[in-house]
Amino acid sequence: DAGVIQSPRHEVTEMGQEVTLRCKPISGHDYLFWYRQTMMRGLELLIYFNNNVPIDDSGMPEDRFSAKMPNASFSTLKIQPSEPRDSAVYFCASSFQQGWTEAFFGQGTRLTVV
Amino acid sequence: AQSVTQLGSHVSVSEGALVLLRCNYSSSVPPYLFWYVQYPNQGLQLLLKYTSAATLVKGINGFEAEFKKSETSFHLTKPSAHMSDAAEYFCAVSSNSGYSTLTFGKGTMLLVSP
Repeated sequence: DAGVIQSPRHEVTEMGQEVTLRCKPISGHDYLFWYRQTMMRGLELLIYFNNNVPIDDSGMPEDRFSAKMPNASFSTLKIQPSEPRDSAVYFCASSFQQGWTEAFFGQGTRLTVV
Repeated sequence: AQSVTQLGSHVSVSEGALVLLRCNYSSSVPPYLFWYVQYPNQGLQLLLKYTSAATLVKGINGFEAEFKKSETSFHLTKPSAHMSDAAEYFCAVSSNSGYSTLTFGKGTMLLVSP
């Protein structure tokens, strides 16, 4: 398997624009996680899915953020409208199950909102 | 509730010296503990994990960590640092209690000088 695949790797956009980040989890994994990494706050869990169903979105910062998982092999994280404070690296990760199994991370998407 | 504290945002060692990165956790149930490494512009990669078997866990690249319940610690060590070990290291805690997710520490940047 090629691992968790995220696209794009880098995104630069203007404030107010819509941004869509994409993730393809490892085949067979039934958990998918979206994290945000910043210098100030470290790694934050935004939302996670189990079998394509959102389980906990309490980490989503505000209504401008939304995530979907239409099928087992694809998820999106959308920011609309984007703001400069959304600039961060966004990681997608997947795992077989919770607890003792590790999560496998994608390479991340570096988002810059100007 | 669970949390992780990593002491020291930066640790500097000389090549060939002992590496010690500290991690203390808090968990109301028996924890699973992980160390991840992040190289520049990369995603997180698992180094090792503790899942209630042996308390001394060996990982990749010569790293190991010891689970000490009495001290609620899971420090990461390597006898001899190599230049290629320079990276950011994250300790994380999870559990098998319901929908438990990985909670990460703030990370420790390891700097290795020649």
